Amino acid sequence: SAVISQKPSRDICQRGTSLTIQCQVDSQVTMMFWYRQQPGQSLTLIATANQGSEATYESGFVIDKFPISRPNLTFSTLTVSNLSPEDSSIYLCSVGQGTTYEQYFGPGTRLTVT
Amino acid sequence: KQEVTQIPAALSVPEGENLVLNCSFTDSAIYNLQWFRQDPGKGLTSLLLIQSSQREQTSGRLNASLDKSSGRSTLYIAASQPGDSATYLCAVVGGATNKLIFGTGTLLAVQP
Repeated sequence: SAVISQKPSRDICQRGTSLTIQCQVDSQVTMMFWYRQQPGQSLTLIATANQGSEATYESGFVIDKFPISRPNLTFSTLTVSNLSPEDSSIYLCSVGQGTTYEQYFGPGTRLTVT
Repeated sequence: KQEVTQIPAALSVPEGENLVLNCSFTDSAIYNLQWFRQDPGKGLTSLLLIQSSQREQTSGRLNASLDKSSGRSTLYIAASQPGDSATYLCAVVGGATNKLIFGTGTLLAVQP
């Protein structure tokens, strides 16, 4: 299984600022994903981070608000821009491996916007 | 559009009891189904993955079953322990998209 780390583990940010979250994997993977988990809710997919091309965003999520970079097969960043209190959530990255598409998750980044 | 539902939303049992968590999905055309555990404020730990061609998977005290035709999966936990207390999430991958669609989760509390 893949080992995934995320930085920062948590942050408190002011309204209107941005936060960039890093996701590092211990092996090369093709598919990386970013999820949001709002308080008391389940996970919602934000986008699929593709190496060497633009990320693919799910309905309701846009690149201006959630720009994603994927410079290589082991690393990705998610930026949450122009923060509002509604962005307070846990953000998680995951990777899919093998032919079974089993997914493994990072520890998450807890964001609080004041 | 695929929707995944978990019942019950919350469950409290005494230590040692066997229990079943339920997951249902509306579109039976899934590639696989995965069960996760999430501790408060933490990431997700993968427990079991069942491919669409399989009927069940076992890991230690955990057994997951899959009935694709009826759109249902169950997670059976034997001899529950306080350390099993967590939120349990099921998620399905539809087709070859790699995209996980998550259920609503079951919050399990095992009382010592």
